[in-house]
Amino acid sequence: SSELTQDPPVSVALGQTVTIACQGASLTRYYPSWYQQKPGQAPLLVFYGRSNRPSGIPDRISASSFGNTASLTISGAQAEDEADYYCYSRDSTGDHLVFGAGTKVTVL
Amino acid sequence: QVQLQQWGAGLVKPSETLSLTCAVSGGSFGGYFWTWIRQTPGEGLEWIGEISHSGRANYNPSLKSRVYISMDMSQKQFSLSLKSVTAADTSTYYCARGDPEWLQLDIWGQGALVTVSS
Repeated sequence: SSELTQDPPVSVALGQTVTIACQGASLTRYYPSWYQQKPGQAPLLVFYGRSNRPSGIPDRISASSFGNTASLTISGAQAEDEADYYCYSRDSTGDHLVFGAGTKVTVL
Repeated sequence: QVQLQQWGAGLVKPSETLSLTCAVSGGSFGGYFWTWIRQTPGEGLEWIGEISHSGRANYNPSLKSRVYISMDMSQKQFSLSLKSVTAADTSTYYCARGDPEWLQLDIWGQGALVTVSS
């Protein structure tokens, strides 16, 4: 099992808001980064650090952290947001890196 | 813009060594953590390990006994070796650039499917 626990698959209606979580002990000390992966493609960085969104990522994607839980929010979900989303951070020892198991987001 | 181009054998026999290389173009090699990740078909992402520009490597404890990451700064390349492979090592392997500020993987290679089979 991963040291970062992510939500099971979720679905969201087109234009609505969805929030997915990533939970782990290391998140009290480190911000995770978040990746979007569509079938057949390499993962794409969509958010990192306290409040950083890479160039080209729409501002409807945001993230936050509180305690041992980090969250990624898609506000006004679009069809192109349908993907697997992974969080990534240090493990509980702080010595190594680890991914969460991923959450599949389906846009209805 | 920075790009990562990776290559290596797509088919490896059981018990042999998997080898992949990733070349950095359009940017500097120094100051980053050069990282390998893999993804078993239909499954999630697994961090394999990383190497800093100073040559210090850090490996996933579950793979540490079999993995070796090296780099050639003059060629702006880094490489992955995974020995004694089994069918369980069949995966798509990605190289990526890790930024030390927030540890984010901001640039990814295209991925390479490596199949372990006789």
